[in-house]
Amino acid sequence: SYEVTQPLSVSVALGQTARITCGGNNIGSKNVHWYQQKPGQAPVLVIYSDINRPSGIPERFSGSNSGNTATLTISRAQAGDEADFYCQVWDSSAVVFGGGTKLTVL
Amino acid sequence: QVQLQESGPGLVKPSETLSLTCTVSGGSISNYYWIWIRQPPGKGLEWIGYVYYSGSTNYNPSLKSRLTISVDTSKNQFSLKLSSVTAADAAVYFCARRAAAHDAFDIWGQGTMVTVS
Repeated sequence: SYEVTQPLSVSVALGQTARITCGGNNIGSKNVHWYQQKPGQAPVLVIYSDINRPSGIPERFSGSNSGNTATLTISRAQAGDEADFYCQVWDSSAVVFGGGTKLTVL
Repeated sequence: QVQLQESGPGLVKPSETLSLTCTVSGGSISNYYWIWIRQPPGKGLEWIGYVYYSGSTNYNPSLKSRLTISVDTSKNQFSLKLSSVTAADAAVYFCARRAAAHDAFDIWGQGTMVTVS
């Protein structure tokens, strides 16, 4: 079965740029989606199909996907961006989530 | 605006069946895939399975032998039944919708905690 790998944690200074990766074999050939989950809340879709932002998601959130790595980039990080982030793909009609990355804003 | 709401017992005894329902409000259940996802305390997201409004399903192989997901279009609801539960099934259970224009999950329920004890 297909697996995707995320770093357990990423730290970023306030106002700087955070990058969260999602690795998988030839993941560039798949559509990668990203979700933000704050404590006690349901996940929220922040990027779909590699690069697209749903309505209401700030432009500071962007995505890319190539080769074996997809990346979620958060520019001008704010304290309110602290959360767990999950990447997700589809593989042969099955849903695959990454293990999640905890983003800390210092 | 479409909203999802999970409902069901918050406490299930070991070896019994966990039953949850997700009610779709503000829109139709038709023409979408509907998903169940769970999250054990302090852990990541786990896909459980999904159902199309027509009734076709696909399950996580690790749960397939214990799992039934169904849809009731007349009530705008879909449901999950997980049999022979153990402590490992304790989690927050989320229902979600797969978007029509792409295959991400664009709408989620708030989640419901299920304890096995």
